[in-house]
Amino acid sequence: DAKTTQPNSMESNEEEPVHLPCNHSTISGTDYIHWYRQLPSQGPEYVIHGLTSNVNNRMASLAIAEDRKSSTLILHRATLRDAAVYYCILSFGNEKLTFGTGTRLTIIP
Amino acid sequence: GAVVSQHPSRVICKSGTSVKIECRSLDFQATTMFWYRQFPKKSLMLMATSNEGSKATYEQGVEKDKFLINHASLTLSTLTVTSAHPEDSSFYICSASQPGVADTQYFGPGTRLTVL
Repeated sequence: DAKTTQPNSMESNEEEPVHLPCNHSTISGTDYIHWYRQLPSQGPEYVIHGLTSNVNNRMASLAIAEDRKSSTLILHRATLRDAAVYYCILSFGNEKLTFGTGTRLTIIP
Repeated sequence: GAVVSQHPSRVICKSGTSVKIECRSLDFQATTMFWYRQFPKKSLMLMATSNEGSKATYEQGVEKDKFLINHASLTLSTLTVTSAHPEDSSFYICSASQPGVADTQYFGPGTRLTVL
């Protein structure tokens, strides 16, 4: 499995944008970049995914480096409900997901 | 987005009993479902991959006779923890893979198992 590296924790002020980085230098050409987040005592929630181009959805934006060795999840305006552990995971097709330790995001009111 | 449910959300049982957890994909058909376990303050650990109509594939170190998985239909997979012991107490989470180019997995809300 190609591995990802994320900071253990980050803090952001409420109502400000948040940029969560992820490094994946050994990504293969067919790997999709998936982001999930997990709130306490809940299952992970799908946030966004992409392959090569930047992606936007109602929850977030995903910026993918041109060489695909890194990506950034962007929350445009953080709220207290965005406090969670964010996981960046590479996968292809139906293969299993390998969860790392993720980034614990704290939102400061 | 796609919805995956789990039942029950919480269960407390006595040591030695068996517990069944259901995982359903509500608005899509999932040929593949996954079962994870999560201990407090730890990340998710994959236990097994369940394919509809065939035997589950277990990760190394997971006892297949203890954690029975049945994927009887394209919308239902079950995990049965047999002869549960206190060390089996954990948060069990399933996911279902939505067929498509990226095969995104959607997760259930999890089941908190406490074995007394």
